[in-house]
Amino acid sequence: DAGVIQSPRHEVTEMGQEVTLRCKPISGHNSLFWYRQTMMRGLELLIYFNNNVPIDDSGMPEDRFSAKMPNASFSTLKIQPSEPRDSAVYFCASSTLAGTDTQYFGPGTRLTVL
Amino acid sequence: GESVGLHLPTLSVQEGDNSIINCAYSNSASDYFIWYKQESGKGPQFIIDIRSNMDKRQGQRVTVLLNKTVKHLSLQIAATQPGDSAVYFCAEPAGGTSYGKLTFGQGTILTVHP
Repeated sequence: DAGVIQSPRHEVTEMGQEVTLRCKPISGHNSLFWYRQTMMRGLELLIYFNNNVPIDDSGMPEDRFSAKMPNASFSTLKIQPSEPRDSAVYFCASSTLAGTDTQYFGPGTRLTVL
Repeated sequence: GESVGLHLPTLSVQEGDNSIINCAYSNSASDYFIWYKQESGKGPQFIIDIRSNMDKRQGQRVTVLLNKTVKHLSLQIAATQPGDSAVYFCAEPAGGTSYGKLTFGQGTILTVHP
């Protein structure tokens, strides 16, 4: 079975540009999570969805960040406008609501904002 | 002032030795714990989990021990191999029993020398 799929794997952009990161969760999983990982702050949860509905977005840094999940098989994380401090690895993870919290992570998108 | 990155605990072992990675968790009400392994350039990968009604759980070459009295979790890796070199994270449900949102530890770097 395919795991969590993220695209692109690497993104280099200039400050001020819009960045869109994409995620396809594992088929049948009800929950989807967006994380950011940096050397400074470690692994941080940005937002998560249950059944395509945003449940907790308290980790979203500011209004420049937005996330959507239009259907059960696709989610986007958008940064507009991007800033150099947004440079990080962004992970998407998915899980079921079947009684455990085990999350399965994608390979990540390494974002560099110049 | 100058920002500093996270100073992760490190563990260096020789190939073939047993490794023990420790984690102190914060919420005595947590009912589920997970260990993840993150290799360089990859997303965190599920290793093993344990429910709070258990003290020990064994997998292939790995054992997780849970001491609820002192809120301590450990991951034991038997006959450590160079491929075990990675950052290891423990995680618990945020809020103790909430489905979906996990709180991750800062991680421990394991280096295995051939």
